[in-house]
Formats: sequence, C-alpha cells, structure tokens
Amino acid sequence: ETGVTQSPTHLIKTRGQQVTLRCSSQSGHNTVSWYQQALGQGPQFIFQYYREEENGRGNFPPRFSGLQFPNYSSELNVNALELDDSALYLCASSAPTTDTQYFGPGTRLTVL
Amino acid sequence: RKEVEQDPGPFNVPEGATVAFNCTYSNSASQSFFWYRQDCRKEPKLLMSVYSSGNEDGRFTAQLNRASQYISLLIRDSKLSDSATYLCVLKNRDDKIIFGKGTRLHILP
Repeated sequence: ETGVTQSPTHLIKTRGQQVTLRCSSQSGHNTVSWYQQALGQGPQFIFQYYREEENGRGNFPPRFSGLQFPNYSSELNVNALELDDSALYLCASSAPTTDTQYFGPGTRLTVL
Repeated sequence: RKEVEQDPGPFNVPEGATVAFNCTYSNSASQSFFWYRQDCRKEPKLLMSVYSSGNEDGRFTAQLNRASQYISLLIRDSKLSDSATYLCVLKNRDDKIIFGKGTRLHILP
C-alpha cells in the first residue's frame, strides 16, 4: 500500500455533467499529479500541483481543472463530460526533492 | 515521432529465461527516467529509476543511453510473478511527465 487514497473508486456520469475526483497524498508528500489512463494505453499526464499551485500541465483542455489544499490533498474537476473522458483517473504523490511517484488505486469513470 | 515509444508486445517468455525491452524517447532534454510496472486493473508501481551509469536491483537491470535516446530493462531468471505491463516513464525539464504505452510481458510456466 502506498498511502495514497482516491475517492470514489467507481463513478458513472452522463455526457455534459461535471465530476469531482479526490485524492489524499501520502504523508510528507507535497506534490500531486493527475493522470488519465484509457483502456490499453499508458497514463496521460493531466497536471501537477505543488504547494497548492499548478506546476506543469499536459495536453488537456481547460475543462480539466484542479485544486490542491493546504494538507496537500487534491481534487480533479472535469466539466462538460464527453464520452471519451471514460477512463481510469490516477493520482500520484511524491516527496520534496524526489521524482518517485506513488500512485493511488484510481477512480474508474464511465461517461454514458 | 512520439515522445516515448515502446514495443507493446506481448512478449511471451518461458519461466527462467532472460527478457529485455527498450524504450526510445524523442526529447533530448529529458532529465529523469523510470520503469514502472502495472498489473492488470491495478495502479502503476515504481520498479526502478534509471541512471546513466546503469543500475541493478536483484534480477532487474536498467540502462540509459543518452546518445541514442533509449532506456532498457533486462529481467533475468524470469518468474511467473513478473507477468505485467512495464511502463517507461520520463520527466522533462518543464516537469512534464510522459508515460509510454507499456510493454506487456507474459511469463509462461
């Protein structure tokens, strides 16, 4: 177990709705990254948060947004859901001055 | 050229054999490299970081070749439990993290 938790584990939404996914980082980790993993693909980097600021972003549209809180937990928000947003969403935390990431179990999102 | 490329496999290898796979990358400014493994329907887990001097962890050896822009992973004396997808990961100077699509490995009894 990495100590990184995510909620919910599964979620079903319909096209056009909005969703919020949550992540609690491992104790002592101040950096959180979010990834989208479609079936049969590698994880795609969405963005990274460090000390409550976005610090690096992948090729995702602005309807993907996030937050990091003072306790370093994080949220991923997706607006105007599309069918292609169906995927496993992974959160990973890392400690200061290291690049090693520890992943949570993920949230499986299905958009109908 | 894709930022990170891996042979998707699957590699079907008998138990006890040695298997190796490579990962090529296009951004010469990439600064950190890793191998992660991912079991079916599970999250990725760090296998090992990859250093220019090469590094070994038990049956696993990782190498980085900056001149040719590839990293490699060698698994000796393969076990059934090594069956997984192996993901090549790099981090660029702008803190962007890139995962390959993964190489599937099946160890056959």
